[in-house]
Amino acid sequence: DADVTQTPRNRITKTGKRIMLECSQTKGHDRMYWYRQDPGLGLRLIYYSFDVKDINKGEISDGYSVSRQAQAKFSLSLESAIPNQTALYFCATSLAGGKETQYFGPGTRLLVL
Amino acid sequence: SQQGEEDPQALSIQEGENATMNCSYKTSINNLQWYRQNSGRGLVHLILIRSNEREKHSGRLRVTLDTSKKSSSLLITASRAADTASYFCATDGTGTASKLTFGTGTRLQVTL
Repeated sequence: DADVTQTPRNRITKTGKRIMLECSQTKGHDRMYWYRQDPGLGLRLIYYSFDVKDINKGEISDGYSVSRQAQAKFSLSLESAIPNQTALYFCATSLAGGKETQYFGPGTRLLVL
Repeated sequence: SQQGEEDPQALSIQEGENATMNCSYKTSINNLQWYRQNSGRGLVHLILIRSNEREKHSGRLRVTLDTSKKSSSLLITASRAADTASYFCATDGTGTASKLTFGTGTRLQVTL
């Protein structure tokens, strides 16, 4: 969905490096989410935010941090990357007030060597 | 842990045939959604069914929900090669504040 963009689309990094993944949206949604996808495990929620000053841990937040700089931007950081963080990362958005449809970005493929 | 589990994990059919995928979940839900993912790309929402609904249609898609069995099925009729993708169910449990929990997905291959 072009309304939700992620940068970079692909990244190779080394163990111990800090890396940031960016997500921007033009949908005007208040709620934003970060997921990771591993083969055979579906998507797992890392962090989510319902507003600019709201940050909530998801199922697998250890080793990750996030920043919600503005309504339209939600960044995911790996402070010290490790190989088992190699995965496909997705950002998603949804409207406030409902448990409704989520709109996904194209994903960032991360490889940690 | 995953809330939803899709079955089968993989399905291969010929164009024109119907494809049925099943999803089972563990806890009470408000809604169940189905998403589609083309290889390596973002998920796209297909259909949402609420817990008080039993069946819903959208084009060639038919979704059923049986809350007593905690299960749902997605039927794609008259499949096309372009339907080749992975399909995921996602649930939002009661009291989980807009968080979706995704299943592990069914990989559908439609051959000509």
